Amino acid sequence: QKEVEQDPGPLSVPEGAIVSLNCTYSNSAFQYFMWYRQYSRKGPELLMYTYSSGNKEDGRFTAQVDKSSKYISLFIRDSQPSDSATYLCAIFFAGKSTFGDGTTLTVKP
Amino acid sequence: NAGVTQTPKFRILKIGQSMTLQCTQDMNHNYMYWYRQDPGMGLKLIYYSVGAGITDKGEVPNGYNVSRSTTEDFPLRLELAAPSQTSVYFCASSYSLAGATDTQYFGPGTRLTVL
Repeated sequence: QKEVEQDPGPLSVPEGAIVSLNCTYSNSAFQYFMWYRQYSRKGPELLMYTYSSGNKEDGRFTAQVDKSSKYISLFIRDSQPSDSATYLCAIFFAGKSTFGDGTTLTVKP
Repeated sequence: NAGVTQTPKFRILKIGQSMTLQCTQDMNHNYMYWYRQDPGMGLKLIYYSVGAGITDKGEVPNGYNVSRSTTEDFPLRLELAAPSQTSVYFCASSYSLAGATDTQYFGPGTRLTVL
């Protein structure tokens, strides 16, 4: 079983829509959860991280962790064309990051 | 600050050739990493280093070698290139391994094709 699995997409939404990106993870010992954004032909950049469970909000972005179901989500409100990118979830454990395969999001004007 | 720089941006190799991918960071970070990203996939850790002179294997180290003689540089060596090594290679660095609270900064990547 993979340590982290991500809904594959791709996802295409109209501008202004609410977007939900989701991952599941296998090990209940995982505590650090991250979301990276990767624009086409660029390196990933850290968007948000959460520790343990609960929500974390940053502007239009909300990261959510549900430890009981081993589920992590990233919500984007009022999505913009500039949000079009690949989003990678990741867990950090034992000194290393393990990434999901990414979900490619396109926001149409 | 230039951040993390990688050279070359693109390279085509023939099967059996060797090459070195260069990575330099100017943020005085202790930790450096090499990842590969295959099309439609996430990043897989090849090697990492916790400081000059110290390196360790990641998830997919076979066919690669690294060295870390300075804090700034972390080159990745491919010996006897194979088509399975066709990928985009990203170098990253962070100040410490302090969990996800310490951001990894990624370079722009090197696109390698082995024919």
